[in-house]
Amino acid sequence: GAGVSQTPSNKVTEKGKYVELRCDPISGHTALYWYRQSLGQGPEFLIYFQGTGAADDSGLPNDRFFAVRPEGSVSTLKIQRTERGDSAVYLCASSLNGGAVANEQFFGPGTRLTVL
Amino acid sequence: AQRVTQPEKLLSVFKGAPVELKCNYSYSGSPELFWYVQYSRQRLQLLLRHISRESIKGFTADLNKGETSFHLKKPFAQEEDSAMYYCAADGATNKLIFGTGTLLAVQP
Repeated sequence: GAGVSQTPSNKVTEKGKYVELRCDPISGHTALYWYRQSLGQGPEFLIYFQGTGAADDSGLPNDRFFAVRPEGSVSTLKIQRTERGDSAVYLCASSLNGGAVANEQFFGPGTRLTVL
Repeated sequence: AQRVTQPEKLLSVFKGAPVELKCNYSYSGSPELFWYVQYSRQRLQLLLRHISRESIKGFTADLNKGETSFHLKKPFAQEEDSAMYYCAADGATNKLIFGTGTLLAVQP
């Protein structure tokens, strides 16, 4: 079956612009996660959705970053007034459900964001 | 602070040699530990997790709570094992904390 998909695969934008990154999770997965991976680093947690609600957004670096999942499936990560430091690969993952015993997270291919 | 440390950025071995990728963690409580792998041009995928106690592709990892380590081992490396390996932890918060990764290069 289809895995997690992310669009676009690459996004180049100019400093100060607004960008949206999309994630389509595996069908039936209620939990969805966003991570950011900078060059030479491991993925860094941004936000976790359980259904439509953000269960944990403690990793969002500042109020320029926002994410939604209005119908409990597709999610959009939104970045306002982009800065060069936002350049990174943005990874999305989904799991069957959240809960006390961590379910396997399945990752998408990522969106490479470059801010000029 | 919660932290996962992978001290080696690069590990280069010859085919057939033993491999040990190091991982140490700093966590309150008892986190669940994972190894993720990313092969060239592929997405990040789970290799193994400590609660499963499985051997996947010949790899094993033992959780040592005393040393707070979760090293990944394989007795005989294969060329197809060349990849980026990430150790990760989850303290029942549903967010993975990753190490910086180790690039394993298996030479023929």
